[in-house]
Amino acid sequence: QQQVKQSPQSLIVQKGGISIINCAYENTAFDYFPWYQQFPGKGPALLIAIRPDVSEKKEGRFTISFNKSAKQFSLHIMDSQPGDSATYFCAASREGNTPLVFGKGTRLSVIA
Amino acid sequence: ETGVTQSPTHLIKTRGQQVTLRCSSQSGHNTVSWYQQALGQGPQFIFQYYREEENGRGNFPPRFSGLQFPNYSSELNVNALELDDSALYLCASSWDRGSDGYTFGSGTRLTVV
Repeated sequence: QQQVKQSPQSLIVQKGGISIINCAYENTAFDYFPWYQQFPGKGPALLIAIRPDVSEKKEGRFTISFNKSAKQFSLHIMDSQPGDSATYFCAASREGNTPLVFGKGTRLSVIA
Repeated sequence: ETGVTQSPTHLIKTRGQQVTLRCSSQSGHNTVSWYQQALGQGPQFIFQYYREEENGRGNFPPRFSGLQFPNYSSELNVNALELDDSALYLCASSWDRGSDGYTFGSGTRLTVV
């Protein structure tokens, strides 16, 4: 049973464009939703996270949009740069102290 | 402040062998969680150690076991290796069992042949 479904599997975006990655979750007890960025040969690094008391959170060029009723959340990368090329994972947990459940990842390529 | 260090970075083992992977947690963290990341997949939770005791386990067989030491470093042991155990093994340290403060290491790439 996959508790967090992520799409698309891969994404190619022009430099300066907007990258959008979507996730849907099943467990309504989840209340912590982070996004991780992973470069080849490295472990995942926390990019941005949201809790369900807000519908949007922005940090620099990265924005999480959260729709509690639809059980969906998404990552928007504005002004995408070649350095953003990496694999992105959404995840979820309960109260931030249960193990993270990860999506399968999205491989983002930003081309000049 | 030091990050999470894992060793070795790469390892090749034969089916049926045993392997030990090591993780040094970030300074100030007392919890270590281990994840398995198969190629092209997201990380999957194996187990967590808090104050030297197992504090939760994912859907992995008993041949996956671990230890946490007084300095909060940790080991992951896998017995009777199978081909499907080939994966990137990630260690994440955090404070007080939290998953909202994870710092991941770069992982150990295990190949079973």
